[in-house]
Amino acid sequence: EVQLVESGGGLVKPGSSLKLSCVASGFTFSSYGMHWIRQAPKKGLEWIALIYYDSSNKFYSDSVKGRFTISRDNSKNTLYLEMNSLRSEDTAMYYCAKSFSGSVDYWGQGVMVTVSS
Amino acid sequence: DIVMTQSPFSLAVSEGEMVTINCKSSQSLLSSGNQKNYLAWYQQKPGQSPKLLIYYASTRQSGVPDRFIGSGSGTDFTLTISDVQAEDLADYYCLQHYSSPYTFGAGTKLELK
Repeated sequence: EVQLVESGGGLVKPGSSLKLSCVASGFTFSSYGMHWIRQAPKKGLEWIALIYYDSSNKFYSDSVKGRFTISRDNSKNTLYLEMNSLRSEDTAMYYCAKSFSGSVDYWGQGVMVTVSS
Repeated sequence: DIVMTQSPFSLAVSEGEMVTINCKSSQSLLSSGNQKNYLAWYQQKPGQSPKLLIYYASTRQSGVPDRFIGSGSGTDFTLTISDVQAEDLADYYCLQHYSSPYTFGAGTKLELK
């Protein structure tokens, strides 16, 4: 059974940093691209980042480019999202998700990030 | 960036009815290489993570009931739910994964009449 478990969220002040983790199990992590997708409270889904299976390519949405960094450690079956210069508009539930034929099939349960003074 | 225009914003239905949700992309999602449309549909129930329903515009994910049908090509796509059940009440989103940045439609809320 595929499982994706995010952690690292919390309440932080504007301008601060936070690093999210996502531990994967139930599939060969090193063979699949991985995404981060977020959802602001009572809003729609926003794709924010993709990393290839071997970290050879990374892609970002314009809203986080230059502030967020996606990375992975295939030896630990773990995906990361390093978030810097956080803003109130980054407040959201953050989901890690497994790539499937270019789209996304499995999603984690999400981790909440709140940016507020 | 590819803009996904999803409609309607919300839909009130009775059990047993058929509903259609539309997504229009600002550019074609059809790959000339493999003739596949890079469009997926997701269902999100309250308090849950999204679930993949349809990929490549019309291929049903394993385990998804056959009352969920995806259609369309190029820039115009439709998710049809025939014989709506109470368990289908949820938010539905389309996603284009033709090019980065990937983009979602704004979502459609399916409610009971």
